Amino acid sequence: AQSVTQLDSHVSVSEGTPVLLRCNYSSSYSPSLFWYVQHPNKGLQLLLKYTSAATLVKGINGFEAEFKKSETSFHLTKPSAHMSDAAEYFCVVRSSSNTGKLIFGQGTTLQVKP
Amino acid sequence: SQTIHQWPATLVQPVGSPLSLECTVEGTSNPNLYWYRQAAGRGLQLLFYSVGIGQISSEVPQNLSASRPQDRQFILSSKKLLLSDSGFYLCAWSIRTGYEQYFGPGTRLTVT
Repeated sequence: AQSVTQLDSHVSVSEGTPVLLRCNYSSSYSPSLFWYVQHPNKGLQLLLKYTSAATLVKGINGFEAEFKKSETSFHLTKPSAHMSDAAEYFCVVRSSSNTGKLIFGQGTTLQVKP
Repeated sequence: SQTIHQWPATLVQPVGSPLSLECTVEGTSNPNLYWYRQAAGRGLQLLFYSVGIGQISSEVPQNLSASRPQDRQFILSSKKLLLSDSGFYLCAWSIRTGYEQYFGPGTRLTVT
């Protein structure tokens, strides 16, 4: 069965420093992976997706993620954090069942300090 | 472009009262539709999904039900709310099964 583990429940960075949010996945086949962002009391917004094309995926707002099959990882990075990046981030894998169900990680809260 | 609407944005209801949350999608036809619940600001639980009018699949047994009376309308209901029904309810759509999902703004439900 597919699953995702977000290795940090909370990450704190200073504005202008790099961001790294870690995600490991478990899948018996080549997965489809996503990162979503959720600002307080808002819906989720798709940041980027991996669907077995290029292993380095570029998303919106300067975020990118690299699919590493050997490490079963799909970490989210950004070179320079902005205050507006403070939010909850979810790593997601698509289920292999015919429902196409999305399986969400528990989320990582990103705090950006001035 | 496609947009997804949810209402109401917030709702406070007493235990035992009925519930109706509505979700509509614009700019696409025959979307897959989903209802999620997010409790305590963490993790999303898929409640229902629909691949077409009148076709509803339930992921977990619970006090809630869903209906899809029109192609782009998805309704979440309850006859009698429980305290445990409190949470943030999100509707989402996708172009078809297995594709990325796009989320609405959510409804904050507090059952008192």
